[in-house]
Amino acid sequence: KNEVEQSPQNLTAQEGEFITINCSYSVGISALHWLQQHPGGGIVSLFMLSSGKKKHGRLIATINIQEKHSSLHITASHPRDSAVYICAVRSGGGGADGLTFGKGTHLIIQP
Amino acid sequence: DVKVTQSSRYLVKRTGEKVFLECVQDMDHENMFWYRQDPGLGLRLIYFSYDVKMKEKGDIPEGYSVSREKKERFSLILESASTNQTSMYLCASSRTYGYTFGSGTRLTVV
Repeated sequence: KNEVEQSPQNLTAQEGEFITINCSYSVGISALHWLQQHPGGGIVSLFMLSSGKKKHGRLIATINIQEKHSSLHITASHPRDSAVYICAVRSGGGGADGLTFGKGTHLIIQP
Repeated sequence: DVKVTQSSRYLVKRTGEKVFLECVQDMDHENMFWYRQDPGLGLRLIYFSYDVKMKEKGDIPEGYSVSREKKERFSLILESASTNQTSMYLCASSRTYGYTFGSGTRLTVV
């Protein structure tokens, strides 16, 4: 079973700062997801990666398959970025198996 | 816009009640999942289904059952609710690699 570790668990930063959240996993994967969950809200999928790098607005996600590591970056952070960010991996193929989740990073951006 | 819809956002039930949590997706996805989310434990897979009438146990199936009579609908059943089933329940669906999550149902068992 894949073990997914996220760091940091909690992060408080000032508006405008560059944010990095890290995710490491123990077993080779077919895909890695970065998810966002606002307080009391459902989960939104931000990125799905199997290699390289993806960018969407101020969010950038990278993955290094050899090192079994991924990072989520937020540039020019804003209070509305405050949320829990969750890394999740899928080890098998085909989509039928569920994801294995990290415990999440609780991000607070102060104005 | 594609959607996974969970029927209730908040639910309060009494110990011993039979509880149904409903999830509907409009994307014609084969795979559907039920997770629960607890502080400090993250999300854990309860059950999943890869086709109509098919179901597989996840990591924590005890105390739960599921039903998938139609492709678009996946129900989670708590046969006799207990206080340790108080949690946030999330439904998701997928076809191959992409996942779509519902908004979650926060269930409190009193």
